[in-house]
Amino acid sequence: DGGITQSPKYLFRKEGQNVTLSCEQNLNHDAMYWYRQDPGQGLRLIYYSQIVNDFQKGDIAEGYSVSREKKESFPLTVTSAQKNPTAFYLCASSRQGRNTEAFFGQGTRLTVV
Amino acid sequence: GENVEQHPSTLSVQEGDSAVIKCTYSDSASNYFPWYKQELGKRPQLIIDIRSNVGEKKDQRIAVTLNKTAKHFSLHITETQPEDSAVYFCAASRMRSGGGADGLTFGKGTHLIIQP
Repeated sequence: DGGITQSPKYLFRKEGQNVTLSCEQNLNHDAMYWYRQDPGQGLRLIYYSQIVNDFQKGDIAEGYSVSREKKESFPLTVTSAQKNPTAFYLCASSRQGRNTEAFFGQGTRLTVV
Repeated sequence: GENVEQHPSTLSVQEGDSAVIKCTYSDSASNYFPWYKQELGKRPQLIIDIRSNVGEKKDQRIAVTLNKTAKHFSLHITETQPEDSAVYFCAASRMRSGGGADGLTFGKGTHLIIQP
């Protein structure tokens, strides 16, 4: 369904713990992105990667880390340094070139308990 | 960085009427402007996009217009139907000449409600 898979769908974390969200795509897309969605805030860019072993900070990168060791995978780690991690996290991917339509995963809802 | 403003935050229209959602952007280097529709509990999906070398684009009941000078773009939905009810997001990004694009900067969304 859609070629981009996020897991898990729901995730609970205790304060002070790091947690990693998975994102895998089989669309052969070069670019991958992580967004955070909060009510009334739209989608805000956390990190993006245009090629394997390279990534750039987005608008709200503090408290997050990523890796891009494989083209298909772009995991996001929410660290204990993130002050307000409870949110809906969306991963997306797109091709390089003129058609840059971003395809989104189904999202992971993270709750800090 | 880019800043995208979107209005209104909520829009209620009668079924069959038209709906217009407006966005402005700040970075004159932005050249790609997609619109996404997100139904409750689902992922955002692209409904239409426009590039800066085009002023208007239509796809059936949906159209997007772009005014580069004023740095604003709008989504127009005609003959609205109940299934059009959703949250709509505009976005902007800069496509690089060598391929690739920076991440999309999104507006905060418009909740469109179609009244029967």
